[in-house]
Amino acid sequence: LAKTTQPISMDSYEGQEVNITCSHNNIATNDYITWYQQFPSQGPRFIIQGYKTKVTNEVASLFIPADRKSSTLSLPRVSLSDTAVYYCLVGDTGTGFQKLVFGTGTRLLVSP
Amino acid sequence: NAGVTQTPKFQVLKTGQSMTLQCAQDMNHEYMSWYRQDPGMGLRLIHYSVGAGITDQGEVPNGYNVSRSTTEDFPLRLLSAAPSQTSVYFCASSTRVGEDTQYFGPGTRLTVL
Repeated sequence: LAKTTQPISMDSYEGQEVNITCSHNNIATNDYITWYQQFPSQGPRFIIQGYKTKVTNEVASLFIPADRKSSTLSLPRVSLSDTAVYYCLVGDTGTGFQKLVFGTGTRLLVSP
Repeated sequence: NAGVTQTPKFQVLKTGQSMTLQCAQDMNHEYMSWYRQDPGMGLRLIHYSVGAGITDQGEVPNGYNVSRSTTEDFPLRLLSAAPSQTSVYFCASSTRVGEDTQYFGPGTRLTVL
């Protein structure tokens, strides 16, 4: 099973860049890496997805090294509203059907 | 499009009662899944389906049943509610697994007394 490991929590200040790294040593060839954001009392929301190298959208960047055993979500110039839990997911092909399994998540706290 | 809808939003059950949490999506997605999230914890996969008539177990399937008779609906049944099933339940759907994003419903907050 493709498990993920993330830091439990991170602290930052407004205006700083935040990098959250996820480890996924057993990622399969066809798996994509997806990051979600979750605010309290809400369902997770898609942030970004990638397969290799670098992906950037209006919200974040995702860096994936060549071996794909880890990935780094980069949030530029965070604001208070970026305080949330961030989850890293990879496809899970353990039983022949692909399953997406959430990791532990990283709780990001942005302070003024 | 309504996206992913879940009913009810809140529910209180007594130990031993049964109920069905409803989930529906109008995006013609093949993949649907149920997660539970305990207070302060991450999401854990209960059951998932890769298409109508096909379901499989996730990390924590005990005490729950699912079926997928249509593409749109994926109900989750609690057979005999227990206090350990007190949680927030999220339903999600996507076009394909691993290559696409999941869209989550607003959640059902369940309390079992």
